[in-house]
Amino acid sequence: GAVVSQHPSWVICKSGTSVKIECRSLDFQATTMFWYRQFPKQSLMLMATSNEGSKATYEQGVEKDKFLINHASLTLSTLTVTSAHPEDSSFYICSASPLLAGDYYEQYFGPGTRLTVT
Amino acid sequence: GQNIDQPTEMTATEGAIVQINCTYQTSGFNGLFWYQQHAGEAPTFLSYNVLDGLEEKGRFSSFLSRSKGYSYLLLKELQMKDSASYLCAVIDSNYQLIWGAGTKLIIKP
Repeated sequence: GAVVSQHPSWVICKSGTSVKIECRSLDFQATTMFWYRQFPKQSLMLMATSNEGSKATYEQGVEKDKFLINHASLTLSTLTVTSAHPEDSSFYICSASPLLAGDYYEQYFGPGTRLTVT
Repeated sequence: GQNIDQPTEMTATEGAIVQINCTYQTSGFNGLFWYQQHAGEAPTFLSYNVLDGLEEKGRFSSFLSRSKGYSYLLLKELQMKDSASYLCAVIDSNYQLIWGAGTKLIIKP
């Protein structure tokens, strides 16, 4: 149980275009979803936290107008990188926490999406 | 400020035992996680400690001392597939997850 999927697994796009990444919890309801970015040989960096039906909470330094997050249902969150630039090339990982009380702390990670902006 | 310290890299031999340490200074404490992350992949959950003591799960064990702000992950009977980064993460009083930079573990035959 507790499977999280991401789509696409990898994407190459041209500078200036927008890219949407989907994150789905397949066998549980996720009240909270997290979006991370990871550059090579570095640890995870939390970008934002989203609760279903609410606006996402962005970490300091993350541009909310550039990284649009939508958490429309208990099983789906999307991250849209708008007007992508080469410096946005990174490994984007989502995670989800189950709805059940007491399980908030454990996050189940998606497989990640590797974005390359040319 | 909040800080989590882990060694950057460790090397061990196949079949041996290795201990990866993690020390933390956070505003409050609501639990500590260990995750394994292979290169190019997302992290996978290994353990969760919220009370002092040792939690054993197969070849992996995790220890916590809240008074010392210290945890370790113990890996026994090392296998080549254990080569990965091991991430320590702490939940603070605001229920924020604070991540360490990770320890890259290299297993040699």
